[in-house]
Amino acid sequence: GESVGLHLPTLSVQEGDNSIINCAYSNSASDYFIWYKQESGKGPQFIIDIRSNMDKRQGQRVTVLLNKTVKHLSLQIAATQPGDSAVYFCAEAQGAQKLVFGQGTRLTINP
Amino acid sequence: EAEVAQSPRYKITEKSQAVAFWCDPISGHATLYWYRQILGQGPELLVQFQDESVVDDSQLPKDRFSAERLKGVDSTLKIQPAELGDSAMYLCASSLAANNSPLHFGNGTRLTVT
Repeated sequence: GESVGLHLPTLSVQEGDNSIINCAYSNSASDYFIWYKQESGKGPQFIIDIRSNMDKRQGQRVTVLLNKTVKHLSLQIAATQPGDSAVYFCAEAQGAQKLVFGQGTRLTINP
Repeated sequence: EAEVAQSPRYKITEKSQAVAFWCDPISGHATLYWYRQILGQGPELLVQFQDESVVDDSQLPKDRFSAERLKGVDSTLKIQPAELGDSAMYLCASSLAANNSPLHFGNGTRLTVT
């Protein structure tokens, strides 16, 4: 999805719990998807990517799920830590076309 | 780990003045991007280079913004004259390939126009 405004969706979880951040993307022809983490005052940091020929990909403590039927992407973070607090963005691209960012979600980890 | 370098880190300028930002991508990355991020929103592409050539500048306000990457390595983004609405974070990113390749971002230049 495209960025739609100044009010970020927020998600608060307890330290050690798992978190799931969701994203609805807009272009059914998109074939490449990325999750980024952005901490205050820094640029977006690459977390994990997935191509449209896959529906699941795992990294270190993170899993991305892709549901092309409903154009939905999710990021699962296992055993959240204080350092996971940030704004998370999903992004989509079609072929060599530009990467389009969705609206971010602010994740807060409570001690 | 190699990083995308950007300078300056912060810039305050008065409206109608000229301002320039510089970016040095990760070595070997042929594709370079300039994004603008307004507070609370996701980054939006301004211009994309493949080596020294512009491949997408459809969202670049060409009446006041210009970008160049003369030798296909580092790049400069210029705004002249700056307007109040240009206040934002300007992010540079680079990637190994133009598609199916993650973008690596610098930490941006925070521009404030007064």
